[in-house]
Amino acid sequence: EAGVAQSPRYKIIEKRQSVAFWCNPISGHATLYWYQQILGQGPKLLIQFQNNGVVDDSQLPKDRFSAERLKGVDSTLKIQPAKLEDSAVYLCASSLQGLREETQYFGPGTRLLVL
Amino acid sequence: KQEVTQIPAALSVPEGENLVLNCSFTDSAIYNLQWFRQDPGKGLTSLLLIQSSQREQTSGRLNASLDKSSGRSTLYIAASQPGDSATYLCAVDFGNEKLTFGTGTRLTIIP
Repeated sequence: EAGVAQSPRYKIIEKRQSVAFWCNPISGHATLYWYQQILGQGPKLLIQFQNNGVVDDSQLPKDRFSAERLKGVDSTLKIQPAKLEDSAVYLCASSLQGLREETQYFGPGTRLLVL
Repeated sequence: KQEVTQIPAALSVPEGENLVLNCSFTDSAIYNLQWFRQDPGKGLTSLLLIQSSQREQTSGRLNASLDKSSGRSTLYIAASQPGDSATYLCAVDFGNEKLTFGTGTRLTIIP
């Protein structure tokens, strides 16, 4: 079974530029999560999708971050414009139905550096 | 504020020794607690999940315990191996259906 795929693996941009990350979850998984992990910290949930609907985006900085999952499969996370403090690893995870007892499967992450 | 704390931030242990990783949380009314492993350049791997009604969970050489009254969980690793070297993260569902992560303990097993 293929795992969660993310691209690109690394990205370096200058502040005020825009950037987009892509995630392909495990086949058949209805729930998709985007997390932000700043160096030295644990991951923080940015947004959770159930199929193509948003379940929780309470911690997403909506003035600059956006995410979509149009067909309930792949997802993209965009930052526009980027700030220095957005430097972090962006992790995508998926689970079968989003039940709290389920395992979340994580991708390798995209490491973003904003200069 | 609901917080998860992991101390120490880093730990080095000789191969073969048993070890304990600590996690503390501020609110005892949790739904469940999970332990994850993170290898450099990779995502997280779920190790053990403990429901609020449980006291411990075991998987191979790993044993996780939960004491809600004291706001603590421990991850016990028996007979440590170099392959156990990784960062171990504790995450708590405080009843809000999202995981709050600690900052992790970076474990190094010395051959």
